[in-house]
Amino acid sequence: GESVGLHLPTLSVQEGDNSIINCAYSNSASDYFIWYKQESGKGPQFIIDIRSNMDKRQGQRVTVLLNKTVKHLSLQIAATQPGDSAVYFCAENIRQGAQKLVFGQGTRLTINP
Amino acid sequence: DAMVIQNPRYQVTQFGKPVTLSCSQTLNHNVMYWYQQKSSQAPKLLFHYYDKDFNNEADTPDNFQSRRPNTSFCFLDIRSPGLGDAAMYLCATSRRTGAKNIQYFGAGTRLSVL
Repeated sequence: GESVGLHLPTLSVQEGDNSIINCAYSNSASDYFIWYKQESGKGPQFIIDIRSNMDKRQGQRVTVLLNKTVKHLSLQIAATQPGDSAVYFCAENIRQGAQKLVFGQGTRLTINP
Repeated sequence: DAMVIQNPRYQVTQFGKPVTLSCSQTLNHNVMYWYQQKSSQAPKLLFHYYDKDFNNEADTPDNFQSRRPNTSFCFLDIRSPGLGDAAMYLCATSRRTGAKNIQYFGAGTRLSVL
């Protein structure tokens, strides 16, 4: 079946350190992946995306890595700031007739001062 | 400015009393989605509209219905809310272009069932 899951439900890092959030997916036919950030009481916010024909994509302070061999996705946040505290979801785009996103479990990132 | 607007932000209803949640968008996107999100869980897709075509997820209960009268608006109707339907309901939109499916979310409506 299709599923996207995260290895670590919670992650605590020191302010200024780098954060790495991991995600495993099972659908090898997925062609596109997205990372979302969800702050308390808000809807998910798009952070960065990557197509399946890429293995790395960089944004502002964020990098997404895709390893299709082991079906693994990661989000790296450089120089973590208090405003990065949130729950992070990876999402996998699958096509089964209609195209849709399947969300992973989510990782809560907390920043220690 | 908010591009996907959900109303109300908080909704309290009684067990079995029908309730309607509203979503509007200013993005002119052709796809609109409704998700249910329970505490500490990932959003779960209930259904979506691709233009006027309705796509229901196989495990979405019949208790949940949706209407899309025009491009900008989409409604979620819960015909007989149960205690288990208390959750955050998220609306999202996307403009499908090739492989990309970036969905833009509203702030959500938190539904309480008494």
